Amino acid sequence: SQQGEEDPQALSIQEGENATMNCSYKTSINNLQWYRQNSGRGLVHLILIRSNEREKHSGRLRVTLDTSKKSSSLLITASRAADTASYFCAQLQGAQKLVFGQGTRLTINP
Amino acid sequence: DTEVTQTPKHLVMGMTNKKSLKCEQHMGHRAMYWYKQKAKKPPELMFVYSYEKLSINESVPSRFSPECPNSSLLNLHLHALQPEDSALYLCASSTPRLAVYNEQFFGPGTRLTVL
Repeated sequence: SQQGEEDPQALSIQEGENATMNCSYKTSINNLQWYRQNSGRGLVHLILIRSNEREKHSGRLRVTLDTSKKSSSLLITASRAADTASYFCAQLQGAQKLVFGQGTRLTINP
Repeated sequence: DTEVTQTPKHLVMGMTNKKSLKCEQHMGHRAMYWYKQKAKKPPELMFVYSYEKLSINESVPSRFSPECPNSSLLNLHLHALQPEDSALYLCASSTPRLAVYNEQFFGPGTRLTVL
């Protein structure tokens, strides 16, 4: 399988805490993308980091990329109940094919 | 309009039925995608249309038949499905930049149940 691995598979934290999710991938990348999926719904694109970038920020999100280790992490700071969702990393294979990792199910407890 | 719409939201069909899923976007995107997602699994790519031509078929069984009538519409025709085809079917679209297809915009999905 070309799918990446994500850990943890599930994460439960208190509102206000930070959440960190990790993603490892197998092949070289043009970019790595992170998506959020609320329960049983469509995916929402969060952030894209290119292979020549090491860190990127967007609001409360921080993504890092280590191409030597073929890994990426997504940090959500000051979590809110609305952040409860599944989070997937995805790598672009070739020009068109997006391959998703297994995902992390994040639960924010009030 | 930055939305991808999908109809119907839910579909229940028998193994002998013929049905179609529909997807529409008005963002001017020239790439459209079908994904299949089983419960607690990541989406898996089925088909990609690029400039209204089928560019990727991920060895999907012929009981799934995609169609792209124009740059805004994408259909998935279903015939003689099996119960294991029950899943969430997601449509997405994107625009190529520098010949690389970047972030994709997803519709809410069609929840399909095959009896």
